[in-house]
Amino acid sequence: GNSVTQMEGPVTLSEEAFLTINCTYTATGYPSLFWYVQYPGEGLQLLLKATKADDKGSNKGFEATYRKETTSFHLEKGSVQVSDSAVYFCALGTLETSGSRLTFGEGTQLTVNP
Amino acid sequence: DARVTQTPRHKVTEMGQEVTMRCQPILGHNTVFWYRQTMMQGLELLAYFRNRAPLDDSGMPKDRFSAEMPDATLATLKIQPSEPRDSAVYFCASSGVVDTQYFGPGTRLTVL
Repeated sequence: GNSVTQMEGPVTLSEEAFLTINCTYTATGYPSLFWYVQYPGEGLQLLLKATKADDKGSNKGFEATYRKETTSFHLEKGSVQVSDSAVYFCALGTLETSGSRLTFGEGTQLTVNP
Repeated sequence: DARVTQTPRHKVTEMGQEVTMRCQPILGHNTVFWYRQTMMQGLELLAYFRNRAPLDDSGMPKDRFSAEMPDATLATLKIQPSEPRDSAVYFCASSGVVDTQYFGPGTRLTVL
């Protein structure tokens, strides 16, 4: 079956630090990979996605590259801001086997201090 | 800017009362998901529908929870009777022909 393993949190960084949140997956078929972000008191928002191996998703300074050989989709940002404080969820979907159902990781809480 | 909407945003009720949460998916999306989020359990999938038909509701306590889609623009989640352990944030999400899900803002339920 499908599963997603995320780096355990919480993660605390100072402003302008480099961010990496690790995500690895197990999947049947050819999954699409996602990062969602949840700001306090809000629903999950799509941050970025990649649909095939070696694709790089990017948005708001965040990047993640779909690595089939290591079954990973690590989230990175070169210089975090206080406003990036949120919970980040890695997810995968296998449209051909699961429809649009997604498998989510446990979430990683990020706090950025000024 | 198309969005999933949910009502109410907050609900406080007493144990034993019926609770109904509503969701309006993005127009044209044919798949609707209900999730529950708590600190202890994280994000749990309760049920989902495609073209208004239930596909999987195995995550839902059947004795008290029910989910329906009376039409393509409305999904409902009911709890009857509610219990304190149902206190959580309930999210609705919708998706179209691809697998990206778009989440609503959630209903924060408190059962006293």
